[in-house]
Amino acid sequence: DAKTTQPPSMDCAEGRAANLPCNHSTISGNEYVYWYRQIHSQGPQYIIHGLKNNETNEMASLIITEDRKSSTLILPHATLRDTAVYYCIVKAGGGNKLTFGTGTQLKVEL
Amino acid sequence: DSGVTQTPKHLITATGQRVTLRCSPRSGDLSVYWYQQSLDQGLQFLIQYYNGEERAKGNILERFSAQQFPDLHSELNLSSLELGDSALYFCASSTGQGGGKFNEQFFGPGTRLTVL
Repeated sequence: DAKTTQPPSMDCAEGRAANLPCNHSTISGNEYVYWYRQIHSQGPQYIIHGLKNNETNEMASLIITEDRKSSTLILPHATLRDTAVYYCIVKAGGGNKLTFGTGTQLKVEL
Repeated sequence: DSGVTQTPKHLITATGQRVTLRCSPRSGDLSVYWYQQSLDQGLQFLIQYYNGEERAKGNILERFSAQQFPDLHSELNLSSLELGDSALYFCASSTGQGGGKFNEQFFGPGTRLTVL
């Protein structure tokens, strides 16, 4: 599975969009980009995933660059409850395990 | 609430001891995954079972073993415990075995193990 690089921490004002970047320059053609988050030692929670097209669901949007070497997770209106560690994971569609890096600690403040 | 349950929530034991962590997957899920989260190693995949059979293995120590029972619940057995085994242990479940079509993994609340 490809390695990912994320900033260790980010701050965001409540109500504003939180844009979390992820670099995965060695991603291969059959690998997906997944995002999970972990709120204060709770079990990780799936957010969204994509292959090459942008994706949106009720939680977030995922923007993947055309060359697929990087992506951005967008929380459109961040709330205090979105404070968490966000993990960007690259994994082949047929793979079993999730390989978590160090993630980005997002802090949403008033 | 993910639908995955883990017991116990907290476990405190001594070095050299053996413990068993239990996981009940979401209703209908056939795969169970175990992950360890320690301060120095982060979240690491240990092992996966699908419908009672071992499907994938990660960085699981020989002192650790797991199994999945006919009712699909799973147990992770940790023996000859060392101080470094202190960690959060998460169980996750998914519908399929992980291959092919995407199968979201749903994580339980974890068991916090403290080895003194």
